[in-house]
Amino acid sequence: DVKVTQSSRYLVKRTGEKVFLECVQDMDHENMFWYRQDPGLGLRLIYFSYDVKMKEKGDIPEGYSVSREKKERFSLILESASTNQTSMYLCASTSGGNLNQPQHFGDGTRLSIL
Amino acid sequence: GQQLNQSPQSMFIQEGEDVSMNCTSSSIFNTWLWYKQEPGEGPVLLIALYKAGELTSNGRLTAQFGITRKDSFLNISASIPSDVGIYFCAGHHGSSNTGKLIFGQGTTLQVKP
Repeated sequence: DVKVTQSSRYLVKRTGEKVFLECVQDMDHENMFWYRQDPGLGLRLIYFSYDVKMKEKGDIPEGYSVSREKKERFSLILESASTNQTSMYLCASTSGGNLNQPQHFGDGTRLSIL
Repeated sequence: GQQLNQSPQSMFIQEGEDVSMNCTSSSIFNTWLWYKQEPGEGPVLLIALYKAGELTSNGRLTAQFGITRKDSFLNISASIPSDVGIYFCAGHHGSSNTGKLIFGQGTTLQVKP
């Protein structure tokens, strides 16, 4: 089974802090994704990466950046956290090649910015 | 970004009832996926559909890839309390070459014992 592990289930930070959310997958997947989930809005794509050191903006990249230094790890960075970034963050991965493969999700990080 | 239209937004049903939810799009999709998310967890894949007209079952769940490639439905038969959660449809857009998924807004299901 694919295992996508997010480093924290719950995180509380203060406005202006730099926040790192970490995601690791153990299936040698090429593609990794970061979403945020808000009530009534479903999942919205922040950034994705289809290879080491490669990144692409999703639908809502403002206020975020990402890092993919190793294939198994994809980090989401909030450069200066704001209260409107309080949300549930979900990481997902999928193998390359066949781009129609389902994505596998981690359990999420519930981030609160005070 | 584009989203799928998923309905209903929420359902509150009696245990044993059947459930039906659907997703529609104005454009063609190559795949349709149905996920379930339980409280405090990430979404888990239930069913994946890859061909127009495809009908696939997973236990009490049945999903179909619409013949026009613009819609999909998920049925749950004889619901039980553990069916509670948020159900998301998702798909790969016909013109996508990045593996990006488009998601519906989710259907929240509550089951009364």
